[in-house]
Amino acid sequence: NAGVTQTPKFRVLKTGQSMTLLCAQDMNHEYMYWYRQDPGMGLRLIHYSVGEGTTAKGEVPDGYNVSRLKKQNFLLGLESAAPSQTSVYFCASSARDPTYNEQFFGPGTRLTVL
Amino acid sequence: SQQGEEDPQALSIQEGENATMNCSYKTSINNLQWYRQNSGRGLVHLILIRSNEREKHSGRLRVTLDTSKKSSSLLITASRAADTASYFCATVDRGSTLGRLYFGRGTQLTVWP
Repeated sequence: NAGVTQTPKFRVLKTGQSMTLLCAQDMNHEYMYWYRQDPGMGLRLIHYSVGEGTTAKGEVPDGYNVSRLKKQNFLLGLESAAPSQTSVYFCASSARDPTYNEQFFGPGTRLTVL
Repeated sequence: SQQGEEDPQALSIQEGENATMNCSYKTSINNLQWYRQNSGRGLVHLILIRSNEREKHSGRLRVTLDTSKKSSSLLITASRAADTASYFCATVDRGSTLGRLYFGRGTQLTVWP
């Protein structure tokens, strides 16, 4: 039982390049989330999904797209990377009921955009 | 957006001492959660306290919640060097059906051997 995994762990991009971050969970969770963490800012929600085939915007969605084609996977795409997207990205998942809404986090992807 | 705010931003103590971190928030909540993040790692859930609960324990952790003051505290007793980490509070809005968490900026705890 791997929990939540993320690939890649590290990546360096040049401005304008694109990439996709993959998140996978094996806990059969309905909800999945993408966050970014910047120094002194805590975690901010980028996009989230409440089930297969559904996605929604969070607090800071601009410049990112997501897809949830399979229940266990949640992809985060950067179409044209910008230096402001340099950050650590975390994926998380949770069961449906928000009253018991413990979120399980992946280990993170450290992205640098030059 | 509503966000928990932890206090202090940084805390440095000796092993064996107790560590207390506080969190304040702005709106009505369903529950409040505490997470730990070791350097370079993902967040790990520590404890969840619901809005109708006042205190909760888990091992060396004690969490209190005062909804009238919109505040929570996390107490770690008999701290160890391995407790060195950042600690975040996060809230779920009352009536939320989506389970969105709003995180604070964290307290960096350093425990010296």
